[in-house]
Parts: sequence; C-alpha cells; structure tokens
Amino acid sequence: GAVVSQHPSRVICKSGTSVKIECRSLDFQATTMFWYRQFPKQSLMLMATSNEGSKATYEQGVEKDKFLINHASLTLSTLTVTSAHPEDSSFYICSAHSGGGDTQYFGPGTRLTVL
Amino acid sequence: EDKVVQSPLSLVVHEGDTVTLNCSYEVTNFRSLLWYKQEKKAPTFLFMLTSSGIEKKSGRLSSILDKKELFSILNITATQTGDSAIYLCALIQGAQKLVFGQGTRLTINP
Repeated sequence: GAVVSQHPSRVICKSGTSVKIECRSLDFQATTMFWYRQFPKQSLMLMATSNEGSKATYEQGVEKDKFLINHASLTLSTLTVTSAHPEDSSFYICSAHSGGGDTQYFGPGTRLTVL
Repeated sequence: EDKVVQSPLSLVVHEGDTVTLNCSYEVTNFRSLLWYKQEKKAPTFLFMLTSSGIEKKSGRLSSILDKKELFSILNITATQTGDSAIYLCALIQGAQKLVFGQGTRLTINP
C-alpha cells in the first residue's frame, strides 16, 4: 500500500525559532499533498494544499508567511513553522494524493511543542 | 459551507457489543465520503463511499452511504479493545480537499 513518512515525529523548540517538517511519499508520486493541524481532542483542520511546482493554497485564517510550504518534487513537501510560539504547539499531519482516485494517505504526524 | 457532523462524540461499550457510528453531511458538490480510524498517530483509511446503498465491508467493520438522507453509518460488530480509537468521517471537496467531522471517540472496555 501507499506509504507516507514524516520527519521528525516529535520536536520541541524554543519560542521564536523556526521548525521544518518534511512529508515524503515513499512508493508513489504525489501530485498533491495536504497539511493538517490537530489540536488536542479536536478533529483535523486543513491548513493548506500543496501542489508540486506551484504555490500552496492556504485555508482561510492560516497565515502563509508563518507556515511556509514548499513542494519541490513529486515525493516531498515541507512545512516550515516560522517564529514558532507556544500557541503553534499542535500535531501536524500531512497527506498525499497520487492523482488517481480520491484516496489520501496520511503520514504518521509530527508533534510540535513550543516552549 | 460544507459541513460534516458526527454522532455520538463519545461512546463507551463493552467488548463484544455492536456499535453504530453516524456521520451526516451538507455539501454542495458531493464526491465521496471517507471513514478513518485514528489511534495515537495519524488516521488510517477504512472506507471510501461514493454510491448510495452499497455496503462496504472489511472484517467486522461495515459502512453504507445514504445520499438521499445525506448520512453514512459505520458499524463495528463483536467489538474488541483494539477497536478503541477516534473514528473520523470526511468529505472530499473539489481538488481533493478533505473536510473532517469532529470524530467519535470509541472506548471498548474489556
């Protein structure tokens, strides 16, 4: 089956620093990747849609200058949380779509804690 | 605005019981409805439903979609403690975006 990896799985950083999270599709090419955020006891909220070779599309209320997304190849998308603050602490999950059918495959998630 | 509402939000049953989880939706342009199971990490795919009235089955889990009444159910029979998880229902919007419901937190007690 399709496998999506994320790195790192867990990161703790100081307030004001930037954190980069990688999302890779391991055995398929992902034309589109999605970044979600999940706060404790809440559902997944879509942050942005990342298309290879073009600018990401951000959902309403998501600051594009704070959450930088780069989809440089068909197997890699990165999310950089710039100048992180404690309120950015959350579980960040990516998913990848292969271009055929509607199924999305999720990465294992990255737990970000900002002190 | 497209909306997905799941019920109940939380459910506690004993091992061996059968449970039914509900997902109702409002959407302007329906494509597919998906069910996911989320344990400690990211969601794992269970079912994708596109057509009304056709039951999808995988072991003790089954799901069906009613496009007239705009809902789907997920059934789990002979529940086991390993079924404890959050079950998420999601709609696919245009360009493959997923809109998730709040989830149902299912707890199976031995």
